[in-house]
Amino acid sequence: DQQVKQNSPSLSVQEGRISILNCDYTNSMFDYFLWYKKYPAEGPTFLISISSIKDKNEDGRFTVFLNKSAKHLSLHIVPSQPGDSAVYFCAASKVNRDDKIIFGKGTRLHILP
Amino acid sequence: DTGVSQDPRHKITKRGQNVTFRCDPISEHNRLYWYRQTLGQGPEFLTYFQNEAQLEKSRLLSDRFSAERPKGSFSTLEIQRTEQGDSAMYLCASSFRPGPEYEAFFGQGTRLTVV
Repeated sequence: DQQVKQNSPSLSVQEGRISILNCDYTNSMFDYFLWYKKYPAEGPTFLISISSIKDKNEDGRFTVFLNKSAKHLSLHIVPSQPGDSAVYFCAASKVNRDDKIIFGKGTRLHILP
Repeated sequence: DTGVSQDPRHKITKRGQNVTFRCDPISEHNRLYWYRQTLGQGPEFLTYFQNEAQLEKSRLLSDRFSAERPKGSFSTLEIQRTEQGDSAMYLCASSFRPGPEYEAFFGQGTRLTVV
């Protein structure tokens, strides 16, 4: 069963506009959420994270929002740049329990010129 | 380079052969993870270590798979009697627990092709 779901396999956004990537999770025991970015033939690169005690975390152009009641999080990238074209993975962990990181299937983001 | 290092980057093997991959984590990290990624999927958890202790093995890790971290530093993942279904990217990641941050840092991966 997929505990972390990214329902959009791909997303195209104009350069300079906002990219919004969505993620849903089913396990209410998750208490830490992460976003990773992956280029072809490379390992995932950590982008930004958020603890379940917060509802927003911002780092430069990247902001993650968490809605615990809806078991939903989103990653906002603004403004979108060509180098943002990659696959983005949402991930979740139970840091106070078994602590392994569970990944979604990813969303491929295309930034259009 | 102080990141996570994996060797080899690519491996082509014949079905039925054994293969071994190595992962060198970030030096101060005590937690080490192995994941597998196939096309169109996210990384799937295989196993992880805290120092030299193997804490959990996924049911994805059949009896043909074994992982070790003998001195709590580098780790090896061995696949015996490889099958075509083992073809995937094998990813290693490391982190420090307990710590103020909980993200894991990944290596470049080992791409395995079983022919």
